[in-house]
Amino acid sequence: RKEVEQDPGPFNVPEGATVAFNCTYSNSASQSFFWYRQDCRKEPKLLMSVYSSGNEDGRFTAQLNRASQYISLLIRDSKLSDSATYLCVVQRSPDNTDKLIFGTGTRLQVFP
Amino acid sequence: NAGVTQTPKFRILKIGQSMTLQCTQDMNHNYMYWYRQDPGMGLKLIYYSVGAGITDKGEVPNGYNVSRSTTEDFPLRLELAAPSQTSVYFCASSSEDLRNEQFFGPGTRLTVL
Repeated sequence: RKEVEQDPGPFNVPEGATVAFNCTYSNSASQSFFWYRQDCRKEPKLLMSVYSSGNEDGRFTAQLNRASQYISLLIRDSKLSDSATYLCVVQRSPDNTDKLIFGTGTRLQVFP
Repeated sequence: NAGVTQTPKFRILKIGQSMTLQCTQDMNHNYMYWYRQDPGMGLKLIYYSVGAGITDKGEVPNGYNVSRSTTEDFPLRLELAAPSQTSVYFCASSSEDLRNEQFFGPGTRLTVL
């Protein structure tokens, strides 16, 4: 079983729609969680961290469910520019000392 | 700041050839990483370095070598290229304080025929 699993998609949604992705992780000792965004044929970039209490950044909301070992990313009012692959990333250590484990990504395509 | 730069952008190698992928960062980051990304797969860590003179293996180090003689540079060496090394290679760096935010270079697309 992969340590980090994501639905590869693609999720095809119209502009203005709300879309949510989930990501599950297998190592219950995982401590830190992140979403990275990767545009087609480009490098990944940090989108946001995921905190235990949930956190929001504009149209993006990230949540963590430790009991079920999954994290989610919600995008409201989708824009064409949101089209990208969203990578779920897990870090095992609580103090930011361990390596990052990347999921394979969920592809989002927003259409007009 | 240029951030993380990688050269070349593209390369085609024949089986058995060798090459060095260059990576440079100008953010004074101590931590640097090499990943490979295959289609439909997550990024896999090849090697990483926590500072000049220190390197360590990641998840998929076989067939590769690295060196870190300066803070800025972290080259990746392929000695005997094999078709299984066809991939996109990303170099990344991070500060010691914020290791979860890794800054990636634009990548090198390598094909081994």
